[in-house]
Amino acid sequence: NAGVTQTPKFRVLKTGQSMTLLCAQDMNHEYMYWYRQDPGMGLRLIHYSVGEGTTAKGEVPDGYNVSRLKKQNFLLGLESAAPSQTSVYFCASSYLGPQYFGPGTRLTVL
Amino acid sequence: GQQVMQIPQYQHVQEGEDFTTYCNSSTTLSNIQWYKQRPGGHPVFLIQLVKSGEVKKQKRLTFQFGEAKKNSSLHITATQTTDVGTYFCAGDFNKFYFGSGTKLNVKP
Repeated sequence: NAGVTQTPKFRVLKTGQSMTLLCAQDMNHEYMYWYRQDPGMGLRLIHYSVGEGTTAKGEVPDGYNVSRLKKQNFLLGLESAAPSQTSVYFCASSYLGPQYFGPGTRLTVL
Repeated sequence: GQQVMQIPQYQHVQEGEDFTTYCNSSTTLSNIQWYKQRPGGHPVFLIQLVKSGEVKKQKRLTFQFGEAKKNSSLHITATQTTDVGTYFCAGDFNKFYFGSGTKLNVKP
């Protein structure tokens, strides 16, 4: 049981480049979330999904897109990366209770 | 928008001292969760409080949910160096809003 996994662990992008972060969970959870964590600001919800094929906006959705084509996977896309998107990104999954977090992706946009 | 305010931002204690962090919301929460994040790690779920006035204990940790379901606290009795980390509350307003966290440092 791997829980929640995220790839990649680290990435450096140049401004304007695109990338996709992958989150996978093997707990059969319905709910999945993408957060970003910046120093002193806690975790802020970017997008979330309440089931396969559904997505919804969170607190800070601008500049990001998501897809949940399979129940176990939740993808976060950056179409044109900006320095303001430098952050640590966490994925989480849950089913009516505790959220289980992945190890995070540290993204730097130059 | 919805916000969960958490204080203090930092707390430095001597090992054996107690520690408390507080979360406040301007609107009623359906429930509140608490997480701990060790340096360099990811948030790990500690507990969920659902009922008004609820108090739950986990060994040296005591969690409270206010009567109005607008505030919550986490109290650690006799801190140990293993308690080091950042403690977050997360309020459920149909989607989760995290507090900014309280970073706890424990001096041996």
